Amino acid sequence: AQTVTQSQPEMSVQEAETVTLSCTYDTSESDYYLFWYKQPPSRQMILVIRQEAYKQQNATENRFSVNFQKAAKSFSLKISDSQLGDAAMYFCASTTKAAGNKLTFGGGTRVLVKP
Amino acid sequence: EPEVTQTPSHQVTQMGQEVILRCVPISNHLYFYWYRQILGQKVEFLVSFYNNEISEKSEIFDDQFSVERPDGSNFTLKIRSTKLEDSAMYFCASGGDRYNEQFFGPGTRLTVL
Repeated sequence: AQTVTQSQPEMSVQEAETVTLSCTYDTSESDYYLFWYKQPPSRQMILVIRQEAYKQQNATENRFSVNFQKAAKSFSLKISDSQLGDAAMYFCASTTKAAGNKLTFGGGTRVLVKP
Repeated sequence: EPEVTQTPSHQVTQMGQEVILRCVPISNHLYFYWYRQILGQKVEFLVSFYNNEISEKSEIFDDQFSVERPDGSNFTLKIRSTKLEDSAMYFCASGGDRYNEQFFGPGTRLTVL
C-alpha cells in the first residue's frame, strides 16, 4: 500500500520569498509518479507539477520546482518568488503501476503568503 | 482548453435520499475517477472506471455507491441512501493515460441534513 505524509500543517512565507513544502512517501514499487496539487479556497484541485520516478532530473514549472530524493523517498516542493495567489492548500500525491491509477494524497500543507 | 465539469456545484439533501452527482470528463480521456474530501481532511479515492466498468474501488465505496457512464460524455456517481457522514466535496477526475496526471473537476459540495 502507498502512503504519503506531509509533516507541515501550515507554512507562512513573505511575498517574493521562497518556501519549501515537505512530502515523504512509501512504496515498494519501482514504477510510480508523484504530484503536487494546489487547492485554493474555491476547493478546485489544480495540478502544479509532476515527477516520474524513473527520471533523475527534478521537475520544474516556472516558479515551482521539486527536490526528488528517490532513496530517501522524499518529494519536496519549492515555491520561489511567492505571490499572494500562491496562498492555498498544497497536497502531495502518488500513484503506482501496481496500485493501478488511483491517487493517494497526503494530508496537505496550508501556505499563507504575507504581503 | 478542455476541462472537467461537474454539476451541481452544491447539493443539499435529506438523510436517506438518493443523490446523483454528474461529471463531464475531458472528451478524449478514457479513465475516470471519483474522489471525496470531507471538510478539513485529505482527498480520498473512491472509484476508478475504465472501459465501461469499475477497475478499482476503495473500502468507502460500498453498496450504497454506484457509478455509471450512461452515454459517451457523462459520468455519474449515485449514492442510494445518503448518510450524514456522506457530507463532503466530491471530485470527478479524468485521465488520458493510465499513469499520467488526472484532471480534476471543480467539485460538488454535498450536504446531507
